[in-house]
Amino acid sequence: AQTVTQSQPEMSVQEAETVTLSCTYDTSESDYYLFWYKQPPSRQMILVIRQEAYKQQNATENRFSVNFQKAAKSFSLKISDSQLGDAAMYFCAYRGSQGNLIFGKGTKLSVKP
Amino acid sequence: DVKVTQSSRYLVKRTGEKVFLECVQDMDHENMFWYRQDPGLGLRLIYFSYDVKMKEKGDIPEGYSVSREKKERFSLILESASTNQTSMYLCASHPRQGSKNYGYTFGSGTRLTVV
Repeated sequence: AQTVTQSQPEMSVQEAETVTLSCTYDTSESDYYLFWYKQPPSRQMILVIRQEAYKQQNATENRFSVNFQKAAKSFSLKISDSQLGDAAMYFCAYRGSQGNLIFGKGTKLSVKP
Repeated sequence: DVKVTQSSRYLVKRTGEKVFLECVQDMDHENMFWYRQDPGLGLRLIYFSYDVKMKEKGDIPEGYSVSREKKERFSLILESASTNQTSMYLCASHPRQGSKNYGYTFGSGTRLTVV
């Protein structure tokens, strides 16, 4: 069975600085998709970025980028120029052949002014 | 703007009550999901449905059932609520089984407290 591990329950970053959230996963599949979701205090889950496993190029969305290491089964999220509005829970998620999203336990990110 | 709407934001129920959590999506999505979110445990899949009247068990189905009589509506049922079912419940939908590159669209959650 596939698993997703986020080893950092909490992280903190200074406003305007860069922070990296870690995610590793375990799978025997070769075709899958990876996602990072943001959940602010409003509770609305927001898709931040997605990565297709067959693409070697790392996905980028404005200040958000990933470091996808397929062999190491690692999928970290880098947030550049952190803003107060980035404070939230961040969830890493895997989607494979079964079609369901499997989530990590989340990382709570605090942004200090 | 596409939406997944959960009927209640907060809900308080008594132990032993039958509880219905409603979820409606306006995107004509085939797939719908119910997750439970607890601190330190992330999101865990309770049930999902790929089509009307179809349902599949997720990772933690015990104590729950679901109903999908119409494509747009997916209901989660707690047959006899217990205090260990106090949690945040999130509904999500997805366009179709083959579109793996899409993420899910989530509702804003129902925080259920069972007393």
